[in-house]
Amino acid sequence: KAGVTQTPRYLIKTRGQQVTLSCSPISGHRSVSWYQQTPGQGLQFLFEYFSETQRNKGNFPGRFSGRQFSNSRSEMNVSTLELGDSALYLCASSLEVGLSYTFGSGTRLTVV
Amino acid sequence: DAKTTQPNSMESNEEEPVHLPCNHSTISGTDYIHWYRQLPSQGPEYVIHGLTSNVNNRMASLAIAEDRKSSTLILHRATLRDAAVYYCILRPLNNNAGNMLTFGGGTRLMVKP
Repeated sequence: KAGVTQTPRYLIKTRGQQVTLSCSPISGHRSVSWYQQTPGQGLQFLFEYFSETQRNKGNFPGRFSGRQFSNSRSEMNVSTLELGDSALYLCASSLEVGLSYTFGSGTRLTVV
Repeated sequence: DAKTTQPNSMESNEEEPVHLPCNHSTISGTDYIHWYRQLPSQGPEYVIHGLTSNVNNRMASLAIAEDRKSSTLILHRATLRDAAVYYCILRPLNNNAGNMLTFGGGTRLMVKP
């Protein structure tokens, strides 16, 4: 079966712009989580959604937001981009909250 | 939150067993021990998890100390494709506490041909 699909794979944006990243989970998976990976901070949790409800949120500013649709697809949005937002953004899906996660290959965001 | 301690890096020879240690001295009775790995240019990949008993699957084995303060991920025959960063993660059984994965620095495994 198809894995977790993240689009786009690569993105270059300018400071101050906003960006929307998309994640399609494995069919049937209802839990979607987002993580940010940078060389300095490693992998950090952003938020988790289950059945269109945000279940948990990491320690990120309000510029980072997300949502989940009725088909479990999820989007995350970053407004007013800063240079420090340059990172690999990873999406992970799970059949239910608490089970093992399957990660996508990520979206590499570069802010210039 | 209970934390884990792993060596920054380890080296192994191809086709030899690899033992990746993880210390988690503050683990609580309801924490599961999960292992994920991240190959170059990919997202993390689930490897194995356990609570108290040793576990085996097609990828690896997980040996858990009797006091649960440490665990060891065992790759029985390392291949070049096993070169990755391996993360040991504690996850609470109680779903109400949130189920995010808290990644540490992990262990970078290098496999020599």
